[in-house]
Amino acid sequence: QVQLQESGPGLVKPSQTLSLTCTVSGGSISSGSYYWSWIRQPAGKGLEWIGRIYTSGSTNYNPSLKSRVTISVDTSKNQFSLKLSSVTAADTAIYYCAREYGYYYDSSGYYYFDYWGQGTLVTVSS
Amino acid sequence: DIQMTQSPSSLSASVGDRVTITCRASQSISNSLNWYQQKPGKAPNLLIYAAFSLQSGVPSRFSGSGSGTDFTLTISSLQPEDFATYYCQQTYSTPYTFGQGTKLEIK
Repeated sequence: QVQLQESGPGLVKPSQTLSLTCTVSGGSISSGSYYWSWIRQPAGKGLEWIGRIYTSGSTNYNPSLKSRVTISVDTSKNQFSLKLSSVTAADTAIYYCAREYGYYYDSSGYYYFDYWGQGTLVTVSS
Repeated sequence: DIQMTQSPSSLSASVGDRVTITCRASQSISNSLNWYQQKPGKAPNLLIYAAFSLQSGVPSRFSGSGSGTDFTLTISSLQPEDFATYYCQQTYSTPYTFGQGTKLEIK
């Protein structure tokens, strides 16, 4: 059974960089047709996709955050990471990591998040 | 970005009711539509992928339909554990986007 676990500081000061790591267990991060994603959710609000990485290192980011986001992968540790720079109070949220599975059918690609971490609350405050 | 709009935003229903939640995309997304259930303090849980495919382990009372811009999630007979918030998500193109959520409450 695949499991994901987020870790990192729960409190970050404004203008600093938020850094989180997602550790994958129960399977290799390098195997299969998977992307590895970050999603966030401000308290009481909806879900926002931040970005994803493939094990080759290829990334896609949400344009709304692209200038501040870096996602990287460390296959030797079975981990992937998120860095979000120049944070403000608007970046306060629960941050989730998730596995994105993709497949092709009838010439179309289909993708969905089948495993999620439990989420970690990051508060931006001085 | 593709905008996803769910309706209603909240819904009161009773155990045993049949419930339908609608999701509309701002442009055609073929069948690239997923549904998730989220309970308080928990991560979202995948229910339906590719518009109508039931994720393994999800009860058969959940079903999805639609194509193009209009999609529905139906719960055929509400159970106590189904009271939660439901989100649709398009994965037709990045950035992936979610609907604003539908909170299903007990009447």
